[in-house]
Amino acid sequence: SQQGEEDPQALSIQEGENATMNCSYKTSINNLQWYRQNSGRGLVHLILIRSNEREKHSGRLRVTLDTSKKSSSLLITASRAADTASYFCATASTHNTGFQKLVFGTGTRLLVSP
Amino acid sequence: KAGVTQTPRYLIKTRGQQVTLSCSPISGHRSVSWYQQTPGQGLQFLFEYFSETQRNKGNFPGRFSGRQFSNSRSEMNVSTLELGDSALYLCASSMYRDRGVYEQYFGPGTRLTVT
Repeated sequence: SQQGEEDPQALSIQEGENATMNCSYKTSINNLQWYRQNSGRGLVHLILIRSNEREKHSGRLRVTLDTSKKSSSLLITASRAADTASYFCATASTHNTGFQKLVFGTGTRLLVSP
Repeated sequence: KAGVTQTPRYLIKTRGQQVTLSCSPISGHRSVSWYQQTPGQGLQFLFEYFSETQRNKGNFPGRFSGRQFSNSRSEMNVSTLELGDSALYLCASSMYRDRGVYEQYFGPGTRLTVT
């Protein structure tokens, strides 16, 4: 079962607008990661934020993390048609084996129209 | 470095058959994980291998199994296929980054259709 719930499930915007996606999770985490997936293909890693960080930037991406609310948000600024994809948050918790299993959210389908 | 490769990319099998999927991790990565993605259940963790040993396993029936070879390449096997096994199977190789963080890199996936 999935840990994270993402909101909204789908988002349709115009090029140049900003897109904000939210992710909520249930358990304590080591870090939270955001991935992009184009049309049922592989996952592309976008950004990682550690549990002791509150905000991270990478190009047009801005991620926030609020561990007290167990939530994160991904903001894509000045969106482009090429940003059309599904976006997933994934929480990572460290097991006693040292491995970090990723637990994915339900995803947000973003459509950016020219 | 070359990315994670998965073969085959597409596969159509019949109920009751078995299937083997292959994953080659990024050179130097010793951990390989497998995930199943379906429209109904989303992305779910199957298992993880490190140095030829299964370290972690998700909540899947015993029909799902895997192994890892000494060169870190991994295979997963699904026996007695069911219609519900139709999914995109994703492989990820990971390496330790720092302070307890592992970076996972995903392959393009194998699209399995069971008829």
